[in-house]
Amino acid sequence: EAQVTQNPRYLITVTGKKLTVTCSQNMNHEYMSWYRQDPGLGLRQIYYSMNVEVTDKGDVPEGYKVSRKEKRNFPLILESPSPNQTSLYFCASRYTDTQYFGPGTRLTVL
Amino acid sequence: AQSVAQPEDQVNVAEGNPLTVKCTYSVSGNPYLFWYVQYPNRGLQFLLKYITGDNLVKGSYGFEAEFNKSQTSFHLKKPSALVSDSALYFCAVRDINAGNMLTFGGGTRLMVKP
Repeated sequence: EAQVTQNPRYLITVTGKKLTVTCSQNMNHEYMSWYRQDPGLGLRQIYYSMNVEVTDKGDVPEGYKVSRKEKRNFPLILESPSPNQTSLYFCASRYTDTQYFGPGTRLTVL
Repeated sequence: AQSVAQPEDQVNVAEGNPLTVKCTYSVSGNPYLFWYVQYPNRGLQFLLKYITGDNLVKGSYGFEAEFNKSQTSFHLKKPSALVSDSALYFCAVRDINAGNMLTFGGGTRLMVKP
């Protein structure tokens, strides 16, 4: 089944403790991106990647890092999480302008 | 800069009645426009898109949207609402002359009552 997977689905952590949210797609898409969803703000793009080893900032990249060493994986890294990064995070891959979203990761930073 | 506005936080409609979810956009070039739906505890699912051509676009689950260039709008419509259509709907735009950024609106919650 064609899909985008994310892990973990839920995470509660404390300020300053580094974490990684994994994202993987099995559709061989070149374009992948990360979004955060906050009430009333819709989805805001954090980072995107046009292909392996090519990444670029979205609207809200501060406090986040990404890497794209393989086409299928696009992990999101929070080196020192803060409470304002508490949010719902979505990974997506894209083919011909249609985005395919993962199920989401709900992150709480205490 | 590109932007999307969904002026209604929530739309309430009775089952069987027509529904409209509004979206207006702002881009400097030509827009690609999208609608996505989010059911509880799920990721976003693609509904339909406008790239070029016919202003009336038909999508999944009986939804359609009309691109209106003069009003910079892309309202989502369905002739007869179902209770199962209750969800969060997002409009999104990409300026085809300004890179790969996809900008989403704030979302509109659709409540269809039996």
